[in-house]
Amino acid sequence: DTEVTQTPKHLVMGMTNKKSLKCEQHMGHRAMYWYKQKAKKPPELMFVYSYEKLSINESVPSRFSPECPNSSLLNLHLHALQPEDSALYLCASSQVGRRNTQYFGPGTRLTVL
Amino acid sequence: GIQVEQSPPDLILQEGANSTLRCNFSDSVNNLQWFHQNPWGQLINLFYIPSGTKQNGRLSATTVATERYSLLYISSSQTTDSGVYFCAVGGSQGNLIFGKGTKLSVKP
Repeated sequence: DTEVTQTPKHLVMGMTNKKSLKCEQHMGHRAMYWYKQKAKKPPELMFVYSYEKLSINESVPSRFSPECPNSSLLNLHLHALQPEDSALYLCASSQVGRRNTQYFGPGTRLTVL
Repeated sequence: GIQVEQSPPDLILQEGANSTLRCNFSDSVNNLQWFHQNPWGQLINLFYIPSGTKQNGRLSATTVATERYSLLYISSSQTTDSGVYFCAVGGSQGNLIFGKGTKLSVKP
């Protein structure tokens, strides 16, 4: 099984709302990632978790707050977002290390009004 | 940081035609993956290929690590092959750095 699941598929939120994106994998991977993809652009890294600890934060604004409650789950908590944060948010997982295949979930398409 | 360049940016083919997509990268890599992103946004793994040649059905890929490029071949293209093809290489922390992609349109 090489599946990464993400919920919800679509999310519309106002600038004052608080919402969370969820990602789950059962491949035994200990590295998990959040990427952001704007329309007609490639995915860009936001965060990396390795062994449930945050190892990379690519200068992402604090209105995005990641959480890795266990080795299978990854959350992205959203608060006070801006319309320019509208994008496709992709979760991925892999074995830890540089020589491993990353598997991506289907993404959450976020619209901020 | 490492740079990843893909060409061509856009490609229009008639169904049944063959194509070659290219990915150049600026430094040695331990990880190189090819993805197909479908119209719904799903990134589908095609190949993990930091070096050598692999084939999967109508698709094949070759990476020449010493010359810092990779090629993706699509033979007998079908309309379902349409979408964006990304090349991505491994960063220093295990993350992937993506090229800008090649948008492929296959016409019936």
